[in-house]
Amino acid sequence: QSALTQPPSASGSPGQSVTISCTGTSSDVGGYKYVSWYQQHPGKAPKLMIYEVTKRPSGVPDRFSGSKSGNTASLTVSGLQAEDEADYYCSSYAGSNPYVFGTGTRVTVL
Amino acid sequence: EVQLVESGGGLVQPGRSLRLSCTASGFSLGDYAMSWVRQAPGKGLEWVGFIRNKPYGGTAEYAASVKGRFTISRDDSKGIAYLQMNSLKTEDTAVYYCGRRQFFTTDYWGQGTLVTVSS
Repeated sequence: QSALTQPPSASGSPGQSVTISCTGTSSDVGGYKYVSWYQQHPGKAPKLMIYEVTKRPSGVPDRFSGSKSGNTASLTVSGLQAEDEADYYCSSYAGSNPYVFGTGTRVTVL
Repeated sequence: EVQLVESGGGLVQPGRSLRLSCTASGFSLGDYAMSWVRQAPGKGLEWVGFIRNKPYGGTAEYAASVKGRFTISRDDSKGIAYLQMNSLKTEDTAVYYCGRRQFFTTDYWGQGTLVTVSS
């Protein structure tokens, strides 16, 4: 099972928006509604930010939103803040080979 | 408060075995599936496997890279999930995270434990 494809990096100034893509296939992202996004600060454990494509866990700011079109899912961070600078990983359910992660995107707040 | 604490990591020689533990608190382990994810130094996340809770059969699924070498188990009475790693290879060197599964995602993660496979 190949990793989902994410851009290595993305950046924006404080207050701007940044969107990260996550491209898979019809066997994973395109085939199920089970795409998640995780935020990871250096040396820390991942934190769930989005699940089931669009849902936010309690406590996650509404500046974070998710969407999906075909085989590509996206995470948008609006109103960028300094604390949003981190690595972001997508993940998808993939059926018989149950789960796959994305390659990761480093978000820099300029 | 949900907490997950991994333990058992360390330095091990290639070909040897190691067992990691994931101690859960703040929730009933038996109500949830549990997953293991690893991250090699400077690399991305890699799904290792997960174990269903008893109502769903208590069975486990594994990534192809560890299938046949790693075994996930659970002791709900103790609130602990395990990752037994046999025939370790240098490429298994990573921080290993356990996580609670819900809604086809991992909603809580432990802080991770480092496993270094080296002679």
